[in-house]
Amino acid sequence: AQTVTQSQPEMSVQEAETVTLSCTYDTSENNYYLFWYKQPPSRQMILVIRQEAYKQQNATENRFSVNFQKAAKSFSLKISDSQLGDTAMYFCAFMKHEDYGQNFVFGPGTRLSVLP
Amino acid sequence: NAGVTQTPKFQVLKTGQSMTLQCAQDMNHNSMYWYRQDPGMGLRLIYYSASEGTTDKGEVPNGYNVSRLNKREFSLRLESAAPSQTSVYFCASITRWGWTEAFFGQGTRLTVV
Repeated sequence: AQTVTQSQPEMSVQEAETVTLSCTYDTSENNYYLFWYKQPPSRQMILVIRQEAYKQQNATENRFSVNFQKAAKSFSLKISDSQLGDTAMYFCAFMKHEDYGQNFVFGPGTRLSVLP
Repeated sequence: NAGVTQTPKFQVLKTGQSMTLQCAQDMNHNSMYWYRQDPGMGLRLIYYSASEGTTDKGEVPNGYNVSRLNKREFSLRLESAAPSQTSVYFCASITRWGWTEAFFGQGTRLTVV
């Protein structure tokens, strides 16, 4: 079974600074997807960024980028120019390719606070 | 807006009461999931439905039942609520054709007293 680990339960960053959230996962699969979801106080789960394992290029979405290290099974999220609205829980998630079952697994989350 | 609609948003139950959480999606997705979210544990899978007419247990199914009523709807039932079922519940549906992504409902905060 796949597992996802986020070793930083809480983090804080000053507004406009850069912060990196860590995620590692354990799998024997070769084809899979990795996601970062943001959960603000509203509770809504919002997709931040996704990465397909077969793509070597790291995904980017505006201020958000990932460092995907497949061999190390690491998938960190970098937030540049942090904004107050980035304050939220962030979840790393793993999904096996073309699997319709249990293999959509989440990490325990990192609570990020952006300080003014 | 298209998406996943989950009801209710809040609920308080007494121990032993029953209730059903409703979930509907209008994106024609085959796969639907129910998760519970507890502090420090992320989202844990309760049940999933790979397609209409099929359901399977996830990591934490005890105390729950599900029904995939049709392609759109996937409900979660607590037959006899217990305080350990106090949690936030999320429904999700997943598209896997050409673009893989999960879409979530707004969550249900359930308190069992």
